[in-house]
Amino acid sequence: DGGITQSPKYLFRKEGQNVTLSCEQNLNHDAMYWYRQDPGQGLRLIYYSQIVNDFQKGDIAEGYSVSREKKESFPLTVTSAQKNPTAFYLCASTSTGLREKLFFGSGTQLSVL
Amino acid sequence: SQKIEQNSEALNIQEGKTATLTCNYTNYSPAYLQWYRQDPGRGPVFLLLIRENEKEKRKERLKVTFDTTLKQSLFHITASQPADSATYLCALGGGTDKLIFGTGTRLQVFP
Repeated sequence: DGGITQSPKYLFRKEGQNVTLSCEQNLNHDAMYWYRQDPGQGLRLIYYSQIVNDFQKGDIAEGYSVSREKKESFPLTVTSAQKNPTAFYLCASTSTGLREKLFFGSGTQLSVL
Repeated sequence: SQKIEQNSEALNIQEGKTATLTCNYTNYSPAYLQWYRQDPGRGPVFLLLIRENEKEKRKERLKVTFDTTLKQSLFHITASQPADSATYLCALGGGTDKLIFGTGTRLQVFP
């Protein structure tokens, strides 16, 4: 079955630690996105990539980093510079740009120990 | 700044009735609008897309309207069922590579 796989489902970060969230898709989509979801707030865009080896900052990129070395993969690193990392992180992809629907993964809940 | 408003209070309706959810926006002229369904602890799932030149779109028991004068979209679920209980998100796009999401409205359908 085609889809987007995020792992892990739950992740705990210690203070000062970098953690990496995985996102893999087998939909052959060109564009991939990372969103952050906090209670009572809409999804906020962290980073997005429209092609391999290229990515752009979203609205809340500070404290995060990404890479896009393969079409299928778009990992997100939450660095120690992100002082409020507790949130639900969602990865999404789309084939021909945002005029088409986004396919979302099942999300990763990140909490701080 | 661009702003999208969805009713933050939960909408509770009885099974069989029509649920109507509202998405209002300001300081934005979207080329299209999307609606998603999100269950607790899961990622959103796409439901419908409506473009600025379309007034209404239907899919099975779902209907979406888009009024660019009122800057509003209405999302209707007819003959609602308990399985329709979820949070529904609207998202606006156009002109850039980014979608702007609302906070979502939680719908609870009780038997």
